[in-house]
Amino acid sequence: DAGVIQSPRHEVTEMGQEVTLRCKPISGHDYLFWYRQTMMRGLELLIYFNNNVPIDDSGMPEDRFSAKMPNASFSTLKIQPSEPRDSAVYFCASSAGGAEETQYFGPGTRLLVL
Amino acid sequence: KNQVEQSPQSLIILEGKNCTLQCNYTVSPFSNLRWYKQDTGRGPVSLTIMTFSENTKSNGRYTATLDADTKQSSLHITASQLSDSASYICVVSASGGGNKLTFGTGTQLKVEL
Repeated sequence: DAGVIQSPRHEVTEMGQEVTLRCKPISGHDYLFWYRQTMMRGLELLIYFNNNVPIDDSGMPEDRFSAKMPNASFSTLKIQPSEPRDSAVYFCASSAGGAEETQYFGPGTRLLVL
Repeated sequence: KNQVEQSPQSLIILEGKNCTLQCNYTVSPFSNLRWYKQDTGRGPVSLTIMTFSENTKSNGRYTATLDADTKQSSLHITASQLSDSASYICVVSASGGGNKLTFGTGTQLKVEL
């Protein structure tokens, strides 16, 4: 298996623009997680899905952020409009089960909002 | 408030030496504790997962311990190698909270010749 796939790997955009990050989980995994990592705050869980259904989005910072999982093999995280403080590395992870199972992380998308 | 604190914040050791990283948590009720290794520019990779009943778990040269009474965990690295240079992140899960995880800010380890 290729592991968790994320695209793009790097994104540079201007404040106010829409940004869409994409993730393909490992085949057969029924949980998908979106994380954000910054130097100041470390890793933060934004939202997670189980069987394509959002379970907990309490980590989503504000209404500018939205996430979807239209099918078991694809998820998006959208920021609209983007702001400089959204600059971070965004990771997607998947697991074959709940809290007891290992989460496998993708390589991340490095986002810079100017 | 659930918290995970790691120490030291950063550490430099010589190749071949051993080291121990610490993790203290206040997450309750406790479900499991994980140690992740994150190389620069890469996603975190799981090293160990320990539940309440486990007090030690090894993965090659990495050995994690857990004391659920004192709410402390350690990650011991034996015979360090240059490739061990990375950030090591302690993550604690609360039971009954689904997949709610509390992350430590990590220990940055550098192994030098």
